[in-house]
Amino acid sequence: TQLLEQSPQFLSIQEGENLTVYCNSSSVFSSLQWYRQEPGEGPVLLVTVVTGGEVKKLKRLTFQFGDARKDSSLHITAAQPGDTGLYLCAGGASGSARQLTFGSGTQLTVLP
Amino acid sequence: DAGVIQSPRHEVTEMGQEVTLRCKPISGHDYLFWYRQTMMRGLELLIYFNNNVPIDDSGMPEDRFSAKMPNASFSTLKIQPSEPRDSAVYFCASSGASGTFRTDTQYFGPGTRLTVL
Repeated sequence: TQLLEQSPQFLSIQEGENLTVYCNSSSVFSSLQWYRQEPGEGPVLLVTVVTGGEVKKLKRLTFQFGDARKDSSLHITAAQPGDTGLYLCAGGASGSARQLTFGSGTQLTVLP
Repeated sequence: DAGVIQSPRHEVTEMGQEVTLRCKPISGHDYLFWYRQTMMRGLELLIYFNNNVPIDDSGMPEDRFSAKMPNASFSTLKIQPSEPRDSAVYFCASSGASGTFRTDTQYFGPGTRLTVL
């Protein structure tokens, strides 16, 4: 069974601060996706990375896939209250058609 | 497009009762997934279908759970009999055949919050 561990589990910061969320596994993934989930809603895809070492930027969010494709990080610069939510990483297993393994999630709260 | 539609949004039932959750995927999508989310276990894949055929049901917790997809626009997840430990938010998601599997986007519905008393 492939597992994805996220850290920290909870994070509460002030508006304007920077933060990094980590997603780690001992398994290799063919792709790594990051989702954000708001209360009462389903997760929404933010980004997909597929190449080891790949870096993608989405406005103030920077996503990186580890060189060995076992880990990933999400960095938010100058966090805003609108960034508040549950951030989930999800790994696509090699050889599997469409299955994703989700991490345990990081609950981010950005205080104004 | 209306997105993935799930019903009901909330369900409260008593232990031992049958519960049926419903999902309408995005039109044209050929993959449908059922997930369960709890604080303790996070988001877990229960079963997924491709072209209405179940591909992997290894995540279904036990025989009390069953899922069907009679056509491309409808799926159900049934729990019979329900137990308090089944209380969770159940999500349905769908994805399309476009792109490679490594870059597929799963579109989630709003979920059904199930409470079993």
